Formats: sequence, structure tokens, C-alpha cells
Amino acid sequence: QSVLTQPPSVSGAPGQRVTISCTGSSSNIGAGYDVHWYQQLPGTAPKLLISGNTNRPSGVPDRFSGSKSGTSASLAITGLQAEDEADYYCQSYDSSLSGYVFGTGTKVAVL
Amino acid sequence: QVQLVQSGAEVKEPGASVKLSCKASGFSFTTDFMHWVRQAPGQGLEWMGLINPNDGNTMYAQKLQGRVTMTRDTSTSTFYMELSTLRSEDTAVYYCARRLCRSTGCVYGGDAFDIWGQGTMVIVSS
Repeated sequence: QSVLTQPPSVSGAPGQRVTISCTGSSSNIGAGYDVHWYQQLPGTAPKLLISGNTNRPSGVPDRFSGSKSGTSASLAITGLQAEDEADYYCQSYDSSLSGYVFGTGTKVAVL
Repeated sequence: QVQLVQSGAEVKEPGASVKLSCKASGFSFTTDFMHWVRQAPGQGLEWMGLINPNDGNTMYAQKLQGRVTMTRDTSTSTFYMELSTLRSEDTAVYYCARRLCRSTGCVYGGDAFDIWGQGTMVIVSS
């Protein structure tokens, strides 16, 4: 079981804004470790979406944004599009486990 | 271009070992740590460990300590991950993924994974 908890699913109509939460603890997000986000389309490798809590790699649309506060982080998708249907994972480091950890994953559905 | 190309699918019996490869190209082999991540069918992502290509130092997930070994061959720019004493629960797609540091430099525990291999399916079944 992961130490980073995400909602199993979120959904929204095209054009709407959705957010995905990533809840950790004092040994990971709350300890100040960076949070990163990945998008995984079916049958493909994950793709880095947000690094270092808020940074978008080149080529990632500005519809995607990240934030972090306390022991949690969030990914927001504005102007939801059909192509955004995918699984999304947060990732950080946990000092108690002495290793990197992923969130439980969230499936985004576009209605 | 920058890419990681992984070896092909494997089918192994319980108790056996499997050794996967990940060949890097398009970037400096010795610059960045390489991580391994796996994903069981229909499940989430699980971090397995990392290797420093400069000196071969490794760090493994506690859960896999004693069963996983990560190595590299600098002459061929190839990383390897060997998992022993395979169980059915090890059935998964295995990915290698390159470390990405902050723009200000690398910090302990701060790695993101910016380049991923295409994945290798490993099936453990009798």
C-alpha cells in the first residue's frame, strides 16, 4: 500500500477544471521533499507532467499545474480535453522508507 | 534522440531469476542516476531502486532488499536489473527511468523521472 493517497477517480466535462489531491505525511511531502506528477495513457509508459511541485517540462500544456502545501499536493487540469483521459500519479520521497514513493493513482474521465 | 530501450518480454517459472536491460542513448550515460519502477497488471507504480552510473552505487526499496540487483555496463551504456526468487506477485511491466534534478541542481530525495523506457513485461507462472 502506498504512503501517498489519491482519489481513485475524478471526472469532468470538456472545458471544466478538475483537481487531483495527493495526501502524504511528515516523512514525505510534509518533510519538504518535492512532489512530481505523471500522466499514463493506457498501454504506455508514464510521462512526466509536473516536476519540483510546480514546474512544467517543455511541451506540457499550461492547462496542467501543480501546487503543494503542508503534507499534501495537488494537480489541476483546466480546460479539460478528451485526450486528458488517463491515469495520473504523484511521486515523492519518503524518509521513513528511505526510498521514492508513488501515489495510489487517479483515473481521470472526461464525460 | 534521448531514449531508453529495454529488452523484450520474459516468462519465468516461480523461483527463477530474470535480468532485464535498459540501453541509454542520446545523453551522457554517466550524468544521471537510473531508476527502476514496476507496475503489476491493473495496479499502480512501484519504485524498485536506483543506480549511480558513475560508481555503481545502488539504493533499493526495502521491500526488495536481498532479491534485486542493479548494475551497469559503461562500455555499452546499458543498465541491468536482476530480480531473483521470482514469485507470481512479481508479474509486472518493468520500466527504467532517468533521473531529473531541479534546475538548481540535484538534491537527495528530489529525483523526478523524465525519460522512461518502453517497459518490459515479465510473467511469472508455472
